Amino acid sequence: AQKITQTQPGMFVQEKEAVTLDCTYDTSDPSYGLFWYKQPSSGEMIFLIYQGSYDQQNATEGRYSLNFQKARKSANLVISASQLGDSAMYFCAMRLTNTGNQFYFGTGTSLTVIP
Amino acid sequence: DVKVTQSSRYLVKRTGEKVFLECVQDMDHENMFWYRQDPGLGLRLIYFSYDVKMKEKGDIPEGYSVSREKKERFSLILESASTNQTSMYLCASSLHQDGNNEQFFGPGTRLTVL
Repeated sequence: AQKITQTQPGMFVQEKEAVTLDCTYDTSDPSYGLFWYKQPSSGEMIFLIYQGSYDQQNATEGRYSLNFQKARKSANLVISASQLGDSAMYFCAMRLTNTGNQFYFGTGTSLTVIP
Repeated sequence: DVKVTQSSRYLVKRTGEKVFLECVQDMDHENMFWYRQDPGLGLRLIYFSYDVKMKEKGDIPEGYSVSREKKERFSLILESASTNQTSMYLCASSLHQDGNNEQFFGPGTRLTVL
């Protein structure tokens, strides 16, 4: 069963605008972590941001913020003031504590920033 | 800095060959993972290991095996390579604990099976 769903295969955003990348997850476990990774065309996976299931505040890291809505089981990534270097694939992932720290990844969203 | 290295960036093999993909991490991480990445399918977990000599099947273990004889090294083995195993293979490692223990990834091995 799909545990992480990213419904946007591709997204476009104008430079300097904000963009939201959607992610929903499915688990009945109370303890889990949510992660976003960026994969540029060079192929390396870059960790961006983390949200724990018990965290009360939404996570923020510079221009990245995570809009965590626990009741809706969504963990959308918001990128503010988009830059050309933000063009990449973005993956949402979930780690379940009770499965040996196994990660589940979504299918990714390809973001293109337009000058 | 955490470093995860993979033995090859590009590899070309023939159908039926035995293929070894090596992964080494230098941060004393307990957990290590092998994924394959295909367009439109994201990352799919093949095997993972949370300790030396321990292994757990992921979502797509068929056609693969793994070996973890030392904590820092996790090997993926294709016993008899087939064309449908042409893919990008990513190795990752992480600490075995709760909290912000993100996975650190290697650069990937792009395997082509002819």
